[in-house]
Amino acid sequence: DIQMTQSPSSLSASVGDRVTITCRASQSISSYLNWYQQKPGKAPKLLIYAASSLQSGVPSRFSGSGSGTDFTLTISSLQPEDFATYYCQQSYSTPSFGPGTKVDIK
Amino acid sequence: QVQLQESGPGLVKPSQTLSLTCTVSGGSISSGSYYWSWIRQPAGKGLEWIGRIYTSGSTNYNPSLKSRVTISVDTSKNQFSLKLSSVTAADTAVYYCARDRGLRFGVYYFDYWGQGTLVTVSS
Repeated sequence: DIQMTQSPSSLSASVGDRVTITCRASQSISSYLNWYQQKPGKAPKLLIYAASSLQSGVPSRFSGSGSGTDFTLTISSLQPEDFATYYCQQSYSTPSFGPGTKVDIK
Repeated sequence: QVQLQESGPGLVKPSQTLSLTCTVSGGSISSGSYYWSWIRQPAGKGLEWIGRIYTSGSTNYNPSLKSRVTISVDTSKNQFSLKLSSVTAADTAVYYCARDRGLRFGVYYFDYWGQGTLVTVSS
């Protein structure tokens, strides 16, 4: 099994802040890494696939980077609607998700 | 616009079988290079992939659940289904169905999700 970890587990930020979330895989997964946003009581929403490809309709303030075992999701200027939990997910083998990073208001 | 909707009992007794159906609308379940997946999320916890099916009927399951999971598809009804046997309280979760799009080897992602349905395992 490929284990996914995320850091931090939670963070507090203000509107307009630049936010970076890190995801690490227990072995190399090339660029087979996706990012999702989940708001309370809602299904996850795809933001980024294949490490850096922006899903259609997702604002350009979201970006992803990385390959191998280390990946980042960056929100360039945090907006009120971005307060949520973010999950990474590897698609290299049996899909698995990271434990999530909760972004809340400072 | 593709939409997915889960349906099934919200309460299942321990040791029984959990059964859910996902109805796909806005497109044919048979078209395109798509798998169809089930994913679950216990309250306040993270996401766990359960398994997927292709419209040919081929399946992949999470090894941790494989002995208890069956996923099937009914293309005539544009539906796919999940059965999870011998459930315990640990299976209590929100269950999501999702479209699992594959672009090429390794590049798979869940691009459309149902709203989720809470299944509680309790006597």
